[in-house]
Amino acid sequence: SYDLTQPPSVSVTPGQTASIPCFGDKVGEKYVSWYQQKPGRSPVLIIHQDDKRPSGIPERFSGSNSGNTATLTISGAQALDEADYYCQAWDTTAVFGGGTKLTVL
Amino acid sequence: EVHLVESGGGLVQPGRSLRLSCTASRFRFDDYVMHWVRQAPGKGLEWVSVISWNYGSIAYADSVKGRFTISRDNAKNSLYLQMNNLTTEDTAFYYCAREARSGAVFDLWGQGTLVTVSS
Repeated sequence: SYDLTQPPSVSVTPGQTASIPCFGDKVGEKYVSWYQQKPGRSPVLIIHQDDKRPSGIPERFSGSNSGNTATLTISGAQALDEADYYCQAWDTTAVFGGGTKLTVL
Repeated sequence: EVHLVESGGGLVQPGRSLRLSCTASRFRFDDYVMHWVRQAPGKGLEWVSVISWNYGSIAYADSVKGRFTISRDNAKNSLYLQMNNLTTEDTAFYYCAREARSGAVFDLWGQGTLVTVSS
């Protein structure tokens, strides 16, 4: 089965840039999506097809994907960006990374 | 505003069954592939099952294969998950999720329904 690996946690200072990696074998050959989940809430799509933002998602969220690493970048992180972030790709079925808790402090 | 609303969760004993429902509103339900995704409390997301718009394609995660059955009623804008022979490892929030028309992404999620399997 295909696996996606994320670090359990990432910290960032307000206003700085946070990068959340998602590692997978040749993940660059797949489309990767990213979801944000705040406590007690459902996941929300923030990036799809590696680097595309749905309507309503702030420009500070961006994505890239190459080789064995997909990356979610949050430029100018804000306190309201504190959440869990999940990468997702498709193998024979949908596959999620284990999630990364972003702390803004 | 488009919506997905799950229902049917609750407390159930190991070995028993439960049926979840997901009702869609304000979009053309039968145009979309639909999924169930679950999340154990404090854990990550786990894909469970998928059904195409016309039942032509159905798939399950290995962890639920043979015990769970996905179905849909396009006339009722509804998605279902029949869960049999439940175990404590099935305890989770269950979300229905819409796959985008472009494919490969979940663009709409319900609020989730909690299934607790415990004696």
